[in-house]
Amino acid sequence: DTEVTQTPKHLVMGMTNKKSLKCEQHMGHRAMYWYKQKAKKPPELMFVYSYEKLSINESVPSRFSPECPNSSLLNLHLHALQPEDSALYLCASSRDSRVQPQHFGDGTRLSIL
Amino acid sequence: GENVEQHPSTLSVQEGDSAVIKCTYSDSASNYFPWYKQELGKRPQLIIDIRSNVGEKKDQRIAVTLNKTAKHFSLHITETQPEDSAVYFCAASTPGGGNKLTFGTGTQLKVEL
Repeated sequence: DTEVTQTPKHLVMGMTNKKSLKCEQHMGHRAMYWYKQKAKKPPELMFVYSYEKLSINESVPSRFSPECPNSSLLNLHLHALQPEDSALYLCASSRDSRVQPQHFGDGTRLSIL
Repeated sequence: GENVEQHPSTLSVQEGDSAVIKCTYSDSASNYFPWYKQELGKRPQLIIDIRSNVGEKKDQRIAVTLNKTAKHFSLHITETQPEDSAVYFCAASTPGGGNKLTFGTGTQLKVEL
């Protein structure tokens, strides 16, 4: 069973829409991550939250807006996305942001029309 | 920043044979090296990891070796089975880097009957 839960599993949206991706974990982890993965490529880090504070932003365009409402939840707000943003968006968590194993959710497959 | 190279990009073996995937990293300060298995349409799954204070780690049919001097680490799968078919990613993490993982480009392993 996946201990990091992501919703929705699939999302199709137009370039003018606003949508949000959600991630939840109940392992007591204090670091959470968003990754973007294109087909046949490795995951690319987008954001890191440590103790609910944004600690790393990998120069991600502002049309992606992360939010960490509490230690169990991580959101990714999407607005005015481009077709090239179509990808698998993965959430991960780890005990903290020191060097620790990261556990991934099943991802949200996003398609931009 | 850290750079991780992974070889080969594709690997085909007969069931029961061994498979070896190799990675090199550039930052000598990196001290954590996980391996992920990703089946088609699924999440990356952590299968084994090693820290820099250890030279080898084994878990049933899977083993990882680390050569810090050469900055190499390798994944060894023995007695391969069809369910081992997947994409395998190596990664490296550097202390103080917010637990950022730098991934290799992936190896598509196919185990043939």
